[in-house]
Amino acid sequence: EAGVAQSPRYKIIEKRQSVAFWCNPISGHATLYWYQQILGQGPKLLIQFQNNGVVDDSQLPKDRFSAERLKGVDSTLKIQPAKLEDSAVYLCASSSGHLKENTEAFFGQGTRLTVV
Amino acid sequence: AQKITQTQPGMFVQEKEAVTLDCTYDTSDQSYGLFWYKQPSSGEMIFLIYQGSYDEQNATEGRYSLNFQKARKSANLVISASQLGDSAMYFCAMREGWRGQNFVFGPGTRLSVLP
Repeated sequence: EAGVAQSPRYKIIEKRQSVAFWCNPISGHATLYWYQQILGQGPKLLIQFQNNGVVDDSQLPKDRFSAERLKGVDSTLKIQPAKLEDSAVYLCASSSGHLKENTEAFFGQGTRLTVV
Repeated sequence: AQKITQTQPGMFVQEKEAVTLDCTYDTSDQSYGLFWYKQPSSGEMIFLIYQGSYDEQNATEGRYSLNFQKARKSANLVISASQLGDSAMYFCAMREGWRGQNFVFGPGTRLSVLP
């Protein structure tokens, strides 16, 4: 079974530029998460999708961050314009059960973003 | 408010000994799940163990066990017979809500296993 795929693995941009990250979840997984992990901290949930609908985006800085999951499969997270404090690893995760609590989330390798 | 608290930023343990990593959580839901993940220096998140709020027995997975005390809202991870490869960041996480939303993580504990 293929895991969660993310691209790119690394990205360096200048502040005020825009950037996009892509995630392909495990086949059949209805739930998709985007997390931001700043160095030395735990992952912070940015947005959760159930199929192509948003379940929780309460911590997404909507003035600069946007995410979509068209057709309920792949997802894209965009930052525009980027700030220095956006430097972090962006993790995508997926899980299969949406009404159960015991469904683990499977994580991709992450995209390491450096804003200079 | 912080939903997951891990009070130990760093822990040391001697190889082959057991270690307990603390986790306390905050929720008003009756139904929730608790998870532990390991993150080595390579960065991937590795699922270790799960405990459901209605599970009466503590979860175990090989050398990992979860000391679940519901009334105290704690879900401590116990690693027995520590190995050098156990050196990593360990995150406690919780999923709550009827839609399984709010899959949130704690700040993590860095475990170092000493030879």
